[in-house]
Amino acid sequence: NAGVTQTPKFQVLKTGQSMTLQCAQDMNHNSMYWYRQDPGMGLRLIYYSASEGTTDKGEVPNGYNVSRLNKREFSLRLESAAPSQTSVYFCASSLSGSFTEAFFGQGTRLTVV
Amino acid sequence: AQRVTQPEKLLSVFKGAPVELKCNYSYSGSPELFWYVQYSRQRLQLLLRHISRESIKGFTADLNKGETSFHLKKPFAQEEDSAMYYCALRMDSNYQLIWGAGTKLIIKP
Repeated sequence: NAGVTQTPKFQVLKTGQSMTLQCAQDMNHNSMYWYRQDPGMGLRLIYYSASEGTTDKGEVPNGYNVSRLNKREFSLRLESAAPSQTSVYFCASSLSGSFTEAFFGQGTRLTVV
Repeated sequence: AQRVTQPEKLLSVFKGAPVELKCNYSYSGSPELFWYVQYSRQRLQLLLRHISRESIKGFTADLNKGETSFHLKKPFAQEEDSAMYYCALRMDSNYQLIWGAGTKLIIKP
């Protein structure tokens, strides 16, 4: 039972490079999320997808794009990486919105140099 | 602005002692509150939610709307409780969760 799978686990980018973080869930969840976590701060929502075919901005969307490829997959793209995007990225999914439990991936540690 | 505050970055108590991890929130509407936990080398996972009024692994949390708090308590700490604990707030069924910065709980033998 894989749950939420993120790839890669670690990545080092040079400033200006692009990359896509992949996320897949096998729980038939409707909603998926991308968060970033910086030292000393709580998780902050980058983008979310309430259901297949929809995406919406969260608290910190600048510099990112997302694609809800199908119900299982939700990718996060950095078009031109900046040092300020150095962070730990978490993908999560939930069955729906209210009071439902969010299941998390193991995280991706991204460093932009 | 909506905010979740966990005032302690680190809390260290002896095994068998009571534990209270503080969480305060600022939100005037109807909040949904959660505690999530991340054990060493494991994923972030739900511990409990206020609507359930349940006890999980001996932990309880009561929503106090007057004090805008949702403190996590356990009467007798165990070594396996050592972990990072995060308080989170969802506002009026919005999809966005607002997270506290987390408290690292260390249980000393």
